[in-house]
Amino acid sequence: EPEVTQTPSHQVTQMGQEVILRCVPISNHLYFYWYRQILGQKVEFLVSFYNNEISEKSEIFDDQFSVERPDGSNFTLKIRSTKLEDSAMYFCASEGERNTEAFFGQGTRLTVV
Amino acid sequence: AQSVTQLDSHVSVSEGTPVLLRCNYSSSYSPSLFWYVQHPNKGLQLLLKYTSAATLVKGINGFEAEFKKSETSFHLTKPSAHMSDAAEYFCVVSALNTNAGKSTFGDGTTLTVKP
Repeated sequence: EPEVTQTPSHQVTQMGQEVILRCVPISNHLYFYWYRQILGQKVEFLVSFYNNEISEKSEIFDDQFSVERPDGSNFTLKIRSTKLEDSAMYFCASEGERNTEAFFGQGTRLTVV
Repeated sequence: AQSVTQLDSHVSVSEGTPVLLRCNYSSSYSPSLFWYVQHPNKGLQLLLKYTSAATLVKGINGFEAEFKKSETSFHLTKPSAHMSDAAEYFCVVSALNTNAGKSTFGDGTTLTVKP
C-alpha cells in the first residue's frame, strides 16, 4: 500500500539553527500539507501546497517557515531559526484529489534545545 | 468556515464493553469527515472516512461511524473494546472552499480501556 514517508523520525537541534524536515508524498498525489502537534495539544494546520505554490497557510506559518518541492518528489518544510516553542511532532500529508483522503506520514519529532 | 468539537476529552471503558466517542462538526459546505487514531509516539492512522456516500461508515478494527446531517454529528462507535484500542482519537473535517482542502482536527479524545 502506498504511504507517505517522513525523515528523520526524530531531530534534535539547537535553538537558532535551521532545520529541514523531509517528506516523500505518494507519487501521484497533487496536494500536500504540513501539520504540527505540540506535545499534549491538538494537531494544527500549518500550510497547504498545490501546483508548486502555497494554497493556504495558518497564522503559525510565519516568515521563519518555508516549504518547497525541490525535485518533484520530496516536499520539505524549513524552519530558518528554530525556537524552543517549535518543538513538536510535524506531520506531512498528501492527497490525490481535493477533499478525498489525506494520507499522513508517521511524523518527525523535532526537539529544540 | 469549519470546526470540530469532540465532546469528551477522556473516555474510559472496560474491555469488552461498547465504545462511543462523540464528534460534532460545523461546515459551510458538504463536509468530508474522518476519524484518525494515534497510539503513543506513533503517527496518525486513518480509521474511517465519510465522503458523501453511505452515512454509516465501517472502518478498520471494528470501528464504525454514522454521519447525521440533522445533528451535525459523526460519532465513532465500537461494540466491544479491546485493550489495544487505548489511544488518542481525532475527529477531522475537511474543507471544500479552498484551492486545496485542509483538515481541521478536533482536540482529541483519549480512550482508556480497563481490564
